[in-house]
Amino acid sequence: NAGVTQTPKFQVLKTGQSMTLQCAQDMNHEYMSWYRQDPGMGLRLIHYSVGAGITDQGEVPNGYNVSRSTTEDFPLRLLSAAPSQTSVYFCASSYLYAYGYTFGSGTRLTVV
Amino acid sequence: KQEVTQIPAALSVPEGENLVLNCSFTDSAIYNLQWFRQDPGKGLTSLLLIQSSQREQTSGRLNASLDKSSGRSTLYIAASQPGDSATYLCAPLQSYGNQFYFGTGTSLTVIP
Repeated sequence: NAGVTQTPKFQVLKTGQSMTLQCAQDMNHEYMSWYRQDPGMGLRLIHYSVGAGITDQGEVPNGYNVSRSTTEDFPLRLLSAAPSQTSVYFCASSYLYAYGYTFGSGTRLTVV
Repeated sequence: KQEVTQIPAALSVPEGENLVLNCSFTDSAIYNLQWFRQDPGKGLTSLLLIQSSQREQTSGRLNASLDKSSGRSTLYIAASQPGDSATYLCAPLQSYGNQFYFGTGTSLTVIP
């Protein structure tokens, strides 16, 4: 059982470039979410999905886009990278919203 | 917005000590509260999940309590070991708004 898999683990982007952070889970979890972690600020929710075809914004959605075409995958797209998006990004999933959560190992993104 | 505070921010103890990590939150409208562990450069590992109707939860040397009405949770670690060194995060799960709010964590160092 792989759990929650995030790729890539590390990425360096130039300002203005776009990219997609991948997240996949093999636990048949309905709820998936993306968080960013910045020093001194804790983890903050970017976007979440309660099932295939359903997404919504979290606390810090600007500059990010998501879609959920399958139960397994929940990619996060950076449309035009900015230095303020330098962060560690975590994907998390849960069977249902009020159940326990499983986190991926993270993607460390640097925008120069 | 939920505010989560964890005290102390950092803690250094000799091996074998029993210790208590504190978490307070401002909004008691929660489904549950989850304690996580994060090792440097790694993802989050779930330690304990306490439902809002529960008072405490135990796993091995770990015991977590929850007082929802007063907005407090504590994580008790018995007979600490160097392998317990990590950052510990508490995260109440809102019963509305579809998200966790994370504290900034307690960084624990257990000295052999």
